[in-house]
Amino acid sequence: ELKVEQNPLFLSMQEGKNYTIYCNYSTTSDRLYWYRQDPGKSLESLFVLLSNGAVKQEGRLMASLDTKARLSTLHITAAVHDLSATYFCAVNTGTASKLTFGTGTRLQVTL
Amino acid sequence: DAGVIQSPRHEVTEMGQEVTLRCKPISGHDYLFWYRQTMMRGLELLIYFNNNVPIDDSGMPEDRFSAKMPNASFSTLKIQPSEPRDSAVYFCASSFSALAGGETQYFGPGTRLLVL
Repeated sequence: ELKVEQNPLFLSMQEGKNYTIYCNYSTTSDRLYWYRQDPGKSLESLFVLLSNGAVKQEGRLMASLDTKARLSTLHITAAVHDLSATYFCAVNTGTASKLTFGTGTRLQVTL
Repeated sequence: DAGVIQSPRHEVTEMGQEVTLRCKPISGHDYLFWYRQTMMRGLELLIYFNNNVPIDDSGMPEDRFSAKMPNASFSTLKIQPSEPRDSAVYFCASSFSALAGGETQYFGPGTRLLVL
């Protein structure tokens, strides 16, 4: 059974600081997704990582994938309050589009 | 495109009542997923369809839950009878099996269900 673990589960950081969220998964997968969820809202797709070494960046967020280590990271640069949300990684299990989601990392950016 | 549409957005019902949740996927998408999100269990996949056919319903908690997809633009998730432990946010998501695109799932706004 595929397990997807994120850490930390909760992250409080000051504006302007950098930090990284980690996503580990237990079995081979060739696709990894990052989503954002604001409180009381739906999930919004951020990144799709399709191969080993893939790196994608959007604004202050950068995601990378190491399929050999079964690890993805979401790096936050110079955090701003608007980035406060819960971030989920999700891994394709090899069966079509079926995804297994991580536990989520709740990010709180304080002034 | 309007995105994935779900109704109702909120539902409050009493234990034992039947609840029907509805979903309209993004036009042209061939996969449809039903998820449940709770604080205790996180985001769980309940069932998914490909071209209107149920592919994997192993996440459906028990026989009280059923899902249908009569056509490409409509799906329902039914709970009968409902119980307080069914209280959760239910999301519908859809995707298109274009391999180059990575099959991103697009989520609807969710239905917040409270069973008293």
